[in-house]
Amino acid sequence: GQQLNQSPQSMFIQEGEDVSMNCTSSSIFNTWLWYKQDPGEGPVLLIALYKAGELTSNGRLTAQFGITRKDSFLNISASIPSDVGIYFCAGPASGTYKYIFGTGTRLKVLA
Amino acid sequence: EADIYQTPRYLVIGTGKKITLECSQTMGHDKMYWYQQDPGMELHLIHYSYGVNSTEKGDLSSESTVSRIRTEHFPLTLESARPSHTSQYLCASSGGPLGAFFGQGTRLTVV
Repeated sequence: GQQLNQSPQSMFIQEGEDVSMNCTSSSIFNTWLWYKQDPGEGPVLLIALYKAGELTSNGRLTAQFGITRKDSFLNISASIPSDVGIYFCAGPASGTYKYIFGTGTRLKVLA
Repeated sequence: EADIYQTPRYLVIGTGKKITLECSQTMGHDKMYWYQQDPGMELHLIHYSYGVNSTEKGDLSSESTVSRIRTEHFPLTLESARPSHTSQYLCASSGGPLGAFFGQGTRLTVV
């Protein structure tokens, strides 16, 4: 089945640094979603992308839908301690509304 | 943003007991999902529903069962809990391509 691979798996960064993470697939996705999960909570939708090449921002977050429709990246600028958590990419499996989630990037911010 | 509620938040139960995890949403979404997630790990889809009286098994095999008698309600049942069922269970709903919205999850521990 379709799989989403995220890199890096974990990141330790200093407060104020910019962060970049990406998500790749061997198959095409028509929608890319980025979620953040705080410990003990459910994932929260951050950004949704619907067209190849689309670049969307949400505050300090910026995400892009790759031209090939097989990848997406998420950037966080000027990180703060509350950015700590797990970031997941997700998308609907081809021809369905079954949302598949990536392997996750675990972000830790050092004050 | 969807309003979706899961109860209980935490449950510790003995082996062999029957349990039902509740999930309700107030947004009228036709699609609902159950994911299983071990701490800090990926989300695995175990059940989904595209509407009333429609349920399907997800990509990860699970001994749990679900029902969808009402649009807003999607409970998950384990007939006989075992320690291997210890995990976090996340319920989500979706109105279409805008993404899935999650509840806070139920953390289940079977002793």
